Order: sequence, then C-alpha cells, then structure tokens
Amino acid sequence: GAGVSQSPSNKVTEKGKDVELRCDPISGHTALYWYRQSLGQGLEFLIYFQGNSAPDKSGLPSDRFSAERTGGSVSTLTIQRTQQEDSAVYLCASSAIPRLGYSGNTIYFGEGSWLTVV
Amino acid sequence: GENVEQHPSTLSVQEGDSAVIKCTYSDSASNYFPWYKQELGKRPQLIIDIRSNVGEKKDQRIAVTLNKTAKHFSLHITETQPEDSAVYFCAASVDTGRRALTFGSGTRLQVQP
Repeated sequence: GAGVSQSPSNKVTEKGKDVELRCDPISGHTALYWYRQSLGQGLEFLIYFQGNSAPDKSGLPSDRFSAERTGGSVSTLTIQRTQQEDSAVYLCASSAIPRLGYSGNTIYFGEGSWLTVV
Repeated sequence: GENVEQHPSTLSVQEGDSAVIKCTYSDSASNYFPWYKQELGKRPQLIIDIRSNVGEKKDQRIAVTLNKTAKHFSLHITETQPEDSAVYFCAASVDTGRRALTFGSGTRLQVQP
C-alpha cells in the first residue's frame, strides 16, 4: 500500500479483555516497529521485527503484551487482560533495511490505533 | 541501550523568531539522527535527518547540527510560522532499519502570531 496501515483506528474495551491491533507495513519494508504513546507523552518503543531475525522484544512492558509478524509482512500486537494504564495510541512504523555501510533509512509511521480501556 | 534526552519540553516563540531544540544521546555508536514533527492527533512525520558523517544539514527554514564528540544534536527553525506549532521529537539509532529508534521525550513548540 501507499503507507503504513493500522486497524482498528479506535478501540474501546473493558478492563480484563484481550485486544488485537493490526499493522500492514509499506510494501517491501522488512523492518517493522511498534511504539506506544500515552496522552501528551513521548514515543515508547515496544518491539521490532526485521526479516526472519528474532524480534527485539526488549520494550514490551509486561508479559501481557505480545506481537507476531506473519509472512514477513502484517503484524499483530496483542494485549491480554487489558488494564486502564494500557490506554494509549499504539503506533506502528516500517522502514527498508539500509544497504551495507549506510546508516539509516526513514521510518514511516501509521496513523495509530487509539486504545481506551474502561 | 541508547538514551536520548531532549530540551526544552515546551517552547513558545513569536512568529518570525527562531526556535532551537536540543538533544543529547548516550550511545557513541549511534549514527542516525532524525527529527519528527507531530501535529495534534496526527502521526509523527520526518522533517529532517542527519547522519554521523555530516555536521550540519539544512532544508529551507530547518537545520540540524550534530556534535559527535559531545554527543548532542540540535534542531533550528528560523522565521517560525504558526503552522510550525507542533510537538517535535528527536531520535537516535545505530543503523536504523537494523535497530529501532530511541526517541526523546518531545518538545511542544507554540508559535504565537
């Protein structure tokens, strides 16, 4: 697609329920990132996928959070037994892998999934 | 891991004045430093980036400087306009695309008309 696509755009869920958030990266981008942004706050890294390598899960805040990426494209972030403090915008981003010796490629963000836990 | 600190957290300037936002980073191996602009309710969007083999980069009213020895980099916006009002995030990474970006905490810029 033309950009990073996320769904749902908005989700209201009851405390204790599980939620799944989906991300469809830019076609051809092998690197995919999940960030979380609480209201008025910065961008908190959650997890990073790159090709077939093991994901970097170092930012996941608890074992209630998990993510997978199927077929090297679409990713799903799952939050189990949601808590009110999980309320935030969940931003997905993607980028191409830089060629050897090149220090970085632009990361493009989706519009985010606004999660409200009541 | 990388740690990025950003100052100030809020900045108010008069239209036409300059604005400067500063960031420091901890990992001397970081070599890619982008700046993102986020308008209210919108996604972060890249406005300018700089790589460690360059000390300064300009794009119209926006410039970024990098001091690798001191491990800090800055965003300069000249002739500010009301539409520059937004939250600005700096970030740092080693070989982005192979590792995730670490973001600063953001600066809310308000340009007063």
